[in-house]
Amino acid sequence: QVQLQESGPGLVKPSETLSLTCTVSGGSISSYYWNWIRQPPGKGLEWIGYIYYSGSTKYNPSLKSRVTMSVDTSKNQLSLKLSSVTAADTAVYYCARRVIVATGNGGYYYYMDVWGRGTTVSVSS
Amino acid sequence: QSVLTQPPSVSAAPGQKVTISCSGSSSNIGNNYVSWYQQLPRTAPKLLIFENSKRPSGIPDRFSGSKSGTSATLGITGLQTGDEADYYCVTWDSSATSGDVFGGGTKLTVL
Repeated sequence: QVQLQESGPGLVKPSETLSLTCTVSGGSISSYYWNWIRQPPGKGLEWIGYIYYSGSTKYNPSLKSRVTMSVDTSKNQLSLKLSSVTAADTAVYYCARRVIVATGNGGYYYYMDVWGRGTTVSVSS
Repeated sequence: QSVLTQPPSVSAAPGQKVTISCSGSSSNIGNNYVSWYQQLPRTAPKLLIFENSKRPSGIPDRFSGSKSGTSATLGITGLQTGDEADYYCVTWDSSATSGDVFGGGTKLTVL
């Protein structure tokens, strides 16, 4: 079965760039979209954006100017970069597989069926 | 402040039924499908409901979902202490600032 594992530095200094990797095992990155989601301590979930295995992306408008997502199909890995971080970026960061299904009437639905365990990132000097 | 509105908390006794509402607008719930996720303490979210009302394999039929207009509802019957968790609704928002939108989450306490 497909498993996701986030990894990266647990501590990042203010104004620097947060860099995380999500390694996909037990399945291929190809043919799927992949979400990044975060959860500040004691708060709810926030969508950061998604990336298709081909490299096309869609970002949360509130984070768009600071976010870069990429994919390495040869390594079955996704990456997330968030620049100019502040304490407000302290959170648990999750990657999740995004399944999109076309309906019969031209529409579609989607859901996130596989999630990583998350990695905690603290922003502090 | 979340685009989708959920009650911060709900509670009920073991064996009872509870519903969790998720209120949105025509740009999100009104014209898109809703999924629901359960987050047990200190764990990653888990898919409970997709396409408004369908359950993935392995999710018991005690969990149900529905949608009407610009609101969605998660129902849980036969409550168990193991159901204590945070529950989130998610959908796509088709407004100018399009993207995934989450509810603020609802903490379920099984008394």
